[in-house]
Amino acid sequence: DGGITQSPKYLFRKEGQNVTLSCEQNLNHDAMYWYRQDPGQGLRLIYYSQIVNDFQKGDIAEGYSVSREKKESFPLTVTSAQKNPTAFYLCASSVAGTSGHRSNEQFFGPGTRLTVL
Amino acid sequence: DQQVKQNSPSLSVQEGRISILNCDYTNSMFDYFLWYKKYPAEGPTFLISISSIKDKNEDGRFTVFLNKSAKHLSLHIVPSQPGDSAVYFCAASLTNNDMRFGAGTRLTVKP
Repeated sequence: DGGITQSPKYLFRKEGQNVTLSCEQNLNHDAMYWYRQDPGQGLRLIYYSQIVNDFQKGDIAEGYSVSREKKESFPLTVTSAQKNPTAFYLCASSVAGTSGHRSNEQFFGPGTRLTVL
Repeated sequence: DQQVKQNSPSLSVQEGRISILNCDYTNSMFDYFLWYKKYPAEGPTFLISISSIKDKNEDGRFTVFLNKSAKHLSLHIVPSQPGDSAVYFCAASLTNNDMRFGAGTRLTVKP
């Protein structure tokens, strides 16, 4: 089955600790994205990557870091510098392409709920 | 600066009736619009999309309308079914696949 997996589903960490969220896709998609969702807000883009070994900051990149060493994997590290890390984190992927085509569709993983105690 | 807005946080309709979910955007450069459906504790799933060169796209019970002059799009679900109960996100993208999401509207379809 092709799809996106995120692990773990729930994650608890103590304040001040770094934590890495996993995201893997076997859809052969070039582009991958990380969003966070907070109550009453839409999905906000943290980082995205259009190709291996390249990534760009989204709207709320402060306190986060990513890597894209493999096409299939786009892990997100929530660092101790992130002031309010408790949230629902979603990873997505898409076929990189031009606008007006189905490639704009992003496929989402099931999400990871991170709670910092 | 929220470029995509869904002003109704919730909507409740009776089974069999029409559900209309609304979305407004501010950036005229958006050229592709999508609706996603999300169940609790799951990732959003793609529902339907529309290019800025069109004003309507239909897929079964779901129809999306785009009014570019008003920077407004809507999703119509008819007839509504209890299984349609979920949070619906409107999204708009720029040419570089940069996608912006609205805050979502929680739809409840009552039997």
